[in-house]
Amino acid sequence: DTAVSQTPKYLVTQMGNDKSIKCEQNLGHDTMYWYKQDSKKFLKIMFSYNNKELIINETVPNRFSPKSPDKAHLNLHINSLELGDSAVYFCASSRGEASGNTIYFGEGSWLTVV
Amino acid sequence: AQSVSQHNHHVILSEAASLELGCNYSYGGTVNLFWYVQYPGQHLQLLLKYFSGDPLVKGIKGFEAEFIKSKFSFNLRKPSVQWSDTAEYFCAVTLNNNDMRFGAGTRLTVKP
Repeated sequence: DTAVSQTPKYLVTQMGNDKSIKCEQNLGHDTMYWYKQDSKKFLKIMFSYNNKELIINETVPNRFSPKSPDKAHLNLHINSLELGDSAVYFCASSRGEASGNTIYFGEGSWLTVV
Repeated sequence: AQSVSQHNHHVILSEAASLELGCNYSYGGTVNLFWYVQYPGQHLQLLLKYFSGDPLVKGIKGFEAEFIKSKFSFNLRKPSVQWSDTAEYFCAVTLNNNDMRFGAGTRLTVKP
């Protein structure tokens, strides 16, 4: 079974649409994250949640809204999609929020905005 | 600015050559250090990590890295690369709240 799974894996959508990416982890971890990898492969943290509570909220447009219904899920909703949102979005999880807990990544969701 | 720097953007080697990828960080205090690998079209996989103790860390697939505190470095090494090592390699540092900061990545191409 995949430890950190995210859906969809590929998503092509038009500008202005609203879309969601779902993430689930079956590792029993308390902390989950969303990372964005741009076309130059640069990885940057967007959000982290610990036990459904927002811990890290980097400077991202408020069109991006994470939602954590329980500690095993962290979904990413994006409103009014723009061309610049095209990227690979990685969900991840770790046992806790303390520095040093190994972060496990999902397989990524390739978002293309046309 | 605080950052993680990977010196080489693209490294091209022949099979059996030795590999060293540089990584320097500029964060103060105690840090935890990681190397991740991303094979083409795949997700990030942990190669190795350093938290404390022996500064020479051994990871999977024959990789190792050495933490040199005085140089703020955590270079990745492998004595003999294989074609299957072709991938993107990311150095990373975790700060408070397990906030992981990545370097820009180094693309390794191994020619058969």
